[in-house]
Amino acid sequence: NAGVTQTPKFRVLKTGQSMTLLCAQDMNHEYMYWYRQDPGMGLRLIHYSVGEGTTAKGEVPDGYNVSRLKKQNFLLGLESAAPSQTSVYFCASRRSSEPQHFGDGTRLSIL
Amino acid sequence: GEDVEQSLFLSVREGDSSVINCTYTDSSSTYLYWYKQEPGAGLQLLTYIFSNMDMKQDQRLTVLLNKKDKHLSLRIADTQTGDSAIYFCAETPYNFNKFYFGSGTKLNVKP
Repeated sequence: NAGVTQTPKFRVLKTGQSMTLLCAQDMNHEYMYWYRQDPGMGLRLIHYSVGEGTTAKGEVPDGYNVSRLKKQNFLLGLESAAPSQTSVYFCASRRSSEPQHFGDGTRLSIL
Repeated sequence: GEDVEQSLFLSVREGDSSVINCTYTDSSSTYLYWYKQEPGAGLQLLTYIFSNMDMKQDQRLTVLLNKKDKHLSLRIADTQTGDSAIYFCAETPYNFNKFYFGSGTKLNVKP
């Protein structure tokens, strides 16, 4: 029972590089979310999706793009990484009217 | 956006009760949640309460909701060292699209 799986778990990038974080869920959930977690700031919503083919901006969307081409996958892209994007990134998914289920996180460092 | 606030730290002795508090500003909150995060892991849903309830009990956990004061609390009875973690309060409004998280309360349980 995989639940929400995030890939990769760790990554170190240089400023200006690009990368894509993958979130996959096997629970047939409609809603998917990307958050970043920084010390003392809790979780901040980057982007979210209410269904396949749809995405919407969250609280801190700048510098990130997302895509939801398949219902089970939600991709988070950094086109040109900046040190301010060093963080722990969490993906979550849920069924309508139910709580979110979280992945274990991706620890991203940008030098 | 909506504001969810928690105190940053709580320290208790093993066997005592812990009470973690949370305040929120959104009067349209529909569900309120408590999540637990252990070091290096994602967020694990502990319990949640619907806004038309005052209290919910689940084994050692008791959730109290004062909707008038917009105050939510989590009581952990007989606190154990394994309860040491960061606890996040979260709320979602009626449309369920977004979840708003507090900054987290770090619970330290001393033996």
